[in-house]
This record gives sequence, C-alpha cells and structure tokens, in this order.
Amino acid sequence: KNEVEQSPQNLTAQEGEFITINCSYSVGISALHWLQQHPGGGIVSLFMLSSGKKKHGRLIATINIQEKHSSLHITASHPRDSAVYICAVRRPSGGSNYKLTFGKGTLLTVNP
Amino acid sequence: GAGVSQSPSNKVTEKGKDVELRCDPISGHTALYWYRQSLGQGLEFLIYFQGNSAPDKSGLPSDRFSAERTGGSVSTLTIQRTQQEDSAVYLCASSEPGPMGYTQYFGPGTRLTVL
Repeated sequence: KNEVEQSPQNLTAQEGEFITINCSYSVGISALHWLQQHPGGGIVSLFMLSSGKKKHGRLIATINIQEKHSSLHITASHPRDSAVYICAVRRPSGGSNYKLTFGKGTLLTVNP
Repeated sequence: GAGVSQSPSNKVTEKGKDVELRCDPISGHTALYWYRQSLGQGLEFLIYFQGNSAPDKSGLPSDRFSAERTGGSVSTLTIQRTQQEDSAVYLCASSEPGPMGYTQYFGPGTRLTVL
C-alpha cells in the first residue's frame, strides 16, 4: 500500500462546480503539500500546510492530522483549473525531512 | 526573476547510450532535488543536494545513475547504459534552505525516451 493515497484518480466536472480532491497518508508527517501539474509538465506548489486550513483565491486546503487526511477544494471551478493535482507529504524534522513522498495524482478535467 | 530551467526539454536515445540532463536552479537556492515521473506513476525522489553537504543519493534506482552539482549551482544527472525502463520525465526542483517547511520550485522537466 502506498504511503500517500489520493482519490479520486480522475475527476470530470462542469464549469462552476465545487471540487474536492482527497489525500490520505499512513506515516507521521511534518507538512503536507498540494501541487498542480498542467499538461506539458510544469509543476507549481499550491499549498504547504501542517495544520488547519489555508485559502488562496478559489482554492482551499485543509488537513486533519489525527485522521491523517487532507482535502483540496476548488470553488467555482473553471476549465483553466484542469490539471493533475498531487499531494505530497514531508516526514518529521531530522534526518531526511526534506524528502517528499508523493501521491499518484488526481486528473481534473473541467468542461465549459 | 528566472525560475528553474532544465535542458534538454526532450531527449530520445538508444538503449545502452549514456545521457546527461542539466538543471539550473533559482539563484540563491542552496537546496536542489531531482525527481523522476514515470508514466502512470507518481513522482519519485532521486537525489538531494544541500550546499556543500554530501548529497543524499538514497533514491537513485541503480549505480547507472549519478549526479553532481558544481559550484553549488548547476546540477547534472547522468544515466549510463540507458535502459527502456529509464524512460520518464526527470524533474529538478530547488528551494531555499530551512529546517522545516519550504516551497520547492520545479523546472519544466526533461522527457527522456529510451528506444
């Protein structure tokens, strides 16, 4: 079993819909990252969080440390949100805490 | 300012040949990472450089893979005697140093195809 599991693997939505992508992990972490990868490969870091909730524009990320679960929400989705969304976790401080372990990603397609 | 750049963007090679992939990190970023993204698989950590410290090579899949970082800036990932299973997108990222929580900035990647 992978240490980081994302669901769903694929998600198709209509423009304007509220989107939720889930990430569950099985190891202790110091932080969790959400990344966005557009067709063509470029990866952008969206959020890094270790507790609670963060918001940036139409994107919201939440994390529940006790349940080892994080969600990425997109409000009022738009076709330009179409991308692969990747969850990654960082191990606790010390040793190799710089290493990220990645989920396999969720392919989001938003139709106009 | 300039982001992380990688070259070449695409590389097609024959099985058994050696390849070199280059990464130019963001100026001032002392941490540099190499990752591999194979078709249908998630990103996989390969190697990490931090300043003048010995690199963490624990993610390199075999001794055919090596990497160096000259002058604390540019890095080269070398794959010797390439195999078809080496076909993947190789991504480089850099970040500022710090004990916890720092954003990694990714390059556009090099798509390697081994025929």
